[in-house]
Amino acid sequence: EVKLVESGGGLVQPGGSLRLSCATSGFVFDSFSMNWVRQPAGRGLEWVARIKHDGSQRSYVDAVKGRFTISRDSAKNVVYLDMNSLRADDTAVYFCVRDNYGLDYWGQGNLVTVPS
Amino acid sequence: QTVVTQEPSFSVSPGGTVTLTCGLSSGSLSTSHYATWYRQTPGQAPRTLIYNTDTRSSGVPDRFFGSILGNKAALTITGAQADDESDYFCVLYLADGIWVFGGGTKLTVL
Repeated sequence: EVKLVESGGGLVQPGGSLRLSCATSGFVFDSFSMNWVRQPAGRGLEWVARIKHDGSQRSYVDAVKGRFTISRDSAKNVVYLDMNSLRADDTAVYFCVRDNYGLDYWGQGNLVTVPS
Repeated sequence: QTVVTQEPSFSVSPGGTVTLTCGLSSGSLSTSHYATWYRQTPGQAPRTLIYNTDTRSSGVPDRFFGSILGNKAALTITGAQADDESDYFCVLYLADGIWVFGGGTKLTVL
């Protein structure tokens, strides 16, 4: 069974940093690209970042370029999202999502709150 | 900047058929955009219905059908049921590792 479990969210002051982790299991981690998607309360979904299966390409939405970094650890089957210079509009539930010719499996989400 | 478009709202009668669409503000849509469809109820993670344009996710009934109609990805729901009432989102792969979500369609069954 494919499982994605996010952790590391919480309350952080504007300008602060946070690291989200996504522990994965139930599939061959090195065969799949991985993504982070976020959703502010009551609003739609926004794709945030993607890392290719072999780590050779990292892509970001313009709103987080230069502030967020996605990475992966093949030994631990974990994906990370390092978030710096956080702003109030980064407040959202952050989901870890597998990439399989579509964003197919999702974690349960982890809330990040940056007060204004 | 490419925008992914969805109908803001749609309604269907119980037992009826509805087709929701997902398009690009510029350019042609093809299977290379790997259209994926979700539905989401408040407070829950999205549930994947269709990925890779027309592949039904595990456990999704065959009332849900993905396709390309003209220049849009489409999600067709047949035999609509009351619990199909939900928000439906699509996402498209553009290029260079970038995905873009549509704004979502609120489906009402009445």
